[in-house]
Amino acid sequence: ELKVEQNPLFLSMQEGKNYTIYCNYSTTSDRLYWYRQDPGKSLESLFVLLSNGAVKQEGRLMASLDTKARLSTLHITAAVHDLSATYFCAVDPTQGGSEKLVFGKGTKLTVNP
Amino acid sequence: DGGITQSPKYLFRKEGQNVTLSCEQNLNHDAMYWYRQDPGQGLRLIYYSQIVNDFQKGDIAEGYSVSREKKESFPLTVTSAQKNPTAFYLCASSEWTAYEQYFGPGTRLTVT
Repeated sequence: ELKVEQNPLFLSMQEGKNYTIYCNYSTTSDRLYWYRQDPGKSLESLFVLLSNGAVKQEGRLMASLDTKARLSTLHITAAVHDLSATYFCAVDPTQGGSEKLVFGKGTKLTVNP
Repeated sequence: DGGITQSPKYLFRKEGQNVTLSCEQNLNHDAMYWYRQDPGQGLRLIYYSQIVNDFQKGDIAEGYSVSREKKESFPLTVTSAQKNPTAFYLCASSEWTAYEQYFGPGTRLTVT
């Protein structure tokens, strides 16, 4: 059974700093998705990573996928308050024999002035 | 515009009453899902459907029921058997079950 682990689960950082959120998963997969959830709101899609070595960037966020290490990272550069949200990764489990996306527990990011 | 709609946005009910949450999508997606989210928590899968007239239980199906009579629609009924129904309910859809999921705006249910 595919397990998805995000860390840290809570991250408090200062504006202007850099940090990385990690998403580890337990079985083979080459498709991974990142979502953002603002407080009280729904999830919105951030990045779709569809192969080993995939890298996507949007503003101060950059996501990458290493399928050999079973690891995706979400890197935050020079954080601003507007990035405060909860970030979820979700992994396609089909190579492991399952049939639906498995979500991590989410990383709650707070960016302080 | 293609998307997923959920209604109502806020719902208040008395304990012991069944309540049905609506979810409609016009993305022509085969798969649809219902999740529950409690404050400060992640997503927990209630039910999902891969095709019309078929659905499977997720991790926390007890006290909930669904139907999938049309491709576009996947309503969720929260029954009086659900012990703690107050939560944020999210509906999602995808082309197929392992593909990227698109989420509706959510329904916040409060039961007193």
